[in-house]
Amino acid sequence: QQPVQSPQAVILREGEDAVINCSSSKALYSVHWYRQKHGEAPVFLMILLKGGEQKGHEKISASFNEKKQQSSLYLTASQLSYSGTYFCGTEGGGGSQGNLIFGKGTKLSVKP
Amino acid sequence: ETGVTQSPTHLIKTRGQQVTLRCSSQSGHNTVSWYQQALGQGPQFIFQYYREEENGRGNFPPRFSGLQFPNYSSELNVNALELDDSALYLCASSSRLAGDGETQYFGPGTRLLVL
Repeated sequence: QQPVQSPQAVILREGEDAVINCSSSKALYSVHWYRQKHGEAPVFLMILLKGGEQKGHEKISASFNEKKQQSSLYLTASQLSYSGTYFCGTEGGGGSQGNLIFGKGTKLSVKP
Repeated sequence: ETGVTQSPTHLIKTRGQQVTLRCSSQSGHNTVSWYQQALGQGPQFIFQYYREEENGRGNFPPRFSGLQFPNYSSELNVNALELDDSALYLCASSSRLAGDGETQYFGPGTRLLVL
């Protein structure tokens, strides 16, 4: 039931764009995105609730396709500070609400 | 910074010992979730506490137990430590709102090494 993230790793030059995908085999109530830098705690980026909405946060946005049980994180005009490992955390409905299941992460490296 | 604090920051124990990790939730939050993160992996859900009761549990044995106190702070206890318990233990606090997603804010974590 762990969501599958792709790609596993990506290397960008400053200013380039990237897309990180997160797929689940079960119905989802919400998808949470986090970024974690080495040796630090995960930092919340955004949450998407079922309904197919798209959200934005500076140059980082995300979409949630409820029917496909997929979410994508879009990073545009990447900056050095975007480097880190990105995790999606999925949340099912009913009794599992609030219990996040995280993917294995996507390591993003932004080079000058 | 999220306002979620954890103690201690680092801990070294030997196999068979017991450990207690502590977490203070962010002001205004009433829910605490605990996660185990092995090196190179995503956080794995251990359990969640809401209103001092366990509210969901991941695939962890009973030797992992917890508590939540009236001030919403929480403890994670692990008995009979095994080498594989070595990991970063993260707590995350959130506010339970009916019908809304809960944003979980992580603390800095406790790094546990079992020798």
